[in-house]
Amino acid sequence: EPEVTQTPSHQVTQMGQEVILRCVPISNHLYFYWYRQILGQKVEFLVSFYNNEISEKSEIFDDQFSVERPDGSNFTLKIRSTKLEDSAMYFCASSITGFSGELFFGEGSRLTVL
Amino acid sequence: KNQVEQSPQSLIILEGKNCTLQCNYTVSPFSNLRWYKQDTGRGPVSLTIMTFSENTKSNGRYTATLDADTKQSSLHITASQLSDSASYICVVRITSGTYKYIFGTGTRLKVLA
Repeated sequence: EPEVTQTPSHQVTQMGQEVILRCVPISNHLYFYWYRQILGQKVEFLVSFYNNEISEKSEIFDDQFSVERPDGSNFTLKIRSTKLEDSAMYFCASSITGFSGELFFGEGSRLTVL
Repeated sequence: KNQVEQSPQSLIILEGKNCTLQCNYTVSPFSNLRWYKQDTGRGPVSLTIMTFSENTKSNGRYTATLDADTKQSSLHITASQLSDSASYICVVRITSGTYKYIFGTGTRLKVLA
């Protein structure tokens, strides 16, 4: 069964360092998303991406965050200068359609900022 | 403010028993509601999706109900199994025009042998 894959599964970084989280969405999906979940809290929307551009972003997704689809298969989330509060599980998701399509989530990338 | 509240926060039941999880939302305008199962440290997996016109939808031992008038949904699990131990998250989508889903805080279910 097709699935969304994410790498790395866990990354530890020093505060101020740049981090890139990678995702390979399901191949025929057109809409891509990043969500995050701080330990013990609910899942929060970060950004959605369609047709090679951001379609929507939350207030969390500030200038230190960026997304890219560099090669037609990977979908990346970059955090330019990590802060302690960026420590969370980051989930990539994809869907065939944008408005009613079911979201398929990856296993997540746990980011720990020291 | 668009919010999704779930109850109870946590629940412990014995294997084989049934349980019902609740979701109340204030999201407007409403598009659809989904229930996800999230195992610890894993990504959420969709169980059901319900639109405004649907009242009940089943997926194996999972049955979701939706009352769009009272803005309430429930997830009923029948004959629980140890593998049902997980967090169950209610997610509500604002109507077309936005890609934003509002996530509830989840109900953590523990099934004991």
